[in-house]
Amino acid sequence: DTGVSQDPRHKITKRGQNVTFRCDPISEHNRLYWYRQTLGQGPEFLTYFQNEAQLEKSRLLSDRFSAERPKGSFSTLEIQRTEQGDSAMYLCASSLIRGGSGNTIYFGEGSWLTVV
Amino acid sequence: AQSVTQLDSHVSVSEGTPVLLRCNYSSSYSPSLFWYVQHPNKGLQLLLKYTSAATLVKGINGFEAEFKKSETSFHLTKPSAHMSDAAEYFCVVSLYNFNKFYFGSGTKLNVKP
Repeated sequence: DTGVSQDPRHKITKRGQNVTFRCDPISEHNRLYWYRQTLGQGPEFLTYFQNEAQLEKSRLLSDRFSAERPKGSFSTLEIQRTEQGDSAMYLCASSLIRGGSGNTIYFGEGSWLTVV
Repeated sequence: AQSVTQLDSHVSVSEGTPVLLRCNYSSSYSPSLFWYVQHPNKGLQLLLKYTSAATLVKGINGFEAEFKKSETSFHLTKPSAHMSDAAEYFCVVSLYNFNKFYFGSGTKLNVKP
């Protein structure tokens, strides 16, 4: 399977614990995005990377959240001291940006987080 | 500023009848527009995209959408609904440089037998 893969698919954690999600983008895609989706809502932008550089972060990404893409390939999203409000699906997407041509983002299946 | 408005949160149709899911956008720039579908507990799958080529865009599973600049709309249609089309549909707008993709709030499509 050459799509975007995310791990774990489901995570249940106690409030206050740290969690980390991993995303493996489509091979050779230079751009990687993280989105958050809560029940009944559309996905909301969190952050994106161009290769290993994190170019933009949403104000939704509080200082408890950190994302990395150390070698420009896979990415991790860590949430420290989880709160119940962090319960959501975390979606990763990737795309290949080439000049100004039209591009498409491809999404993974998402990682569900439940904070109890 | 960019935004996307999906005019209906729920649409219900009978199997075999046409589907119309409405989307309006606002953008200061020439937008790229997409429709994605999400089945329960799944990620998002691209249905179709508009990136300043033909204004009538054909996608997968018989869906199509028409970009109307004068109406700032990008409505999704399908001539004949199938039970497997029941899902949530998201209209998405992006700037030319594709830094961010802005999602509408989604339309849940119910298909009745």
